[in-house]
Amino acid sequence: ETGVTQSPTHLIKTRGQQVTLRCSSQSGHNTVSWYQQALGQGPQFIFQYYREEENGRGNFPPRFSGLQFPNYSSELNVNALELDDSALYLCASSSRGPSGNTIYFGEGSWLTVV
Amino acid sequence: AQKVTQAQTEISVVEKEDVTLDCVYETRDTTYYLFWYKQPPSGELVFLIRRNSFDEQNEISGRYSWNFQKSTSSFNFTITASQVVDSAVYFCALIVNFGNEKLTFGTGTRLTIIP
Repeated sequence: ETGVTQSPTHLIKTRGQQVTLRCSSQSGHNTVSWYQQALGQGPQFIFQYYREEENGRGNFPPRFSGLQFPNYSSELNVNALELDDSALYLCASSSRGPSGNTIYFGEGSWLTVV
Repeated sequence: AQKVTQAQTEISVVEKEDVTLDCVYETRDTTYYLFWYKQPPSGELVFLIRRNSFDEQNEISGRYSWNFQKSTSSFNFTITASQVVDSAVYFCALIVNFGNEKLTFGTGTRLTIIP
């Protein structure tokens, strides 16, 4: 049990639609990151939020956007869905400290675009 | 740029055998952190270990052990007396800056324990 919860767990969308995925971070964690994991691949970093500000972005187009709320929960929004967006989307939370910290993941949201 | 290589795509061993998963990393930074995660079919990434670049001591946790060697840029993971519950995909990952906690993952090793 990591304390990181994601919703929904599974969803199916049509190409061109928009989707919002949600993440509730572990209590006390002020940093949240999102990753995309295509079938058979390792997770790829999408972006990270620290205290409600985007703080680092991977090689993903602007149609991938996010938010972090004052309670440190987070959303990932994807517009104009493409078939290649079908993947497992993972949320990770951590708390920054001088000695570093452990990064905990949620169970992910499985997105299928048809 | 950072890179993590897990050359073993799939491994199958008979239950109770020992198995080692290899991980080789590349970074120009002198301070970095290495991780291992386990991913069962449910999808959740389960944290196993974090090691910083200044700590080369090997670590043992129950049936799990890790061998960190900076000279060869490797961080290998050994499961002793494997069990069916160990079947999963295992990922090695790297962070070079804890102020920007972007994990760079390898492509994973699928481990199957045969009963």
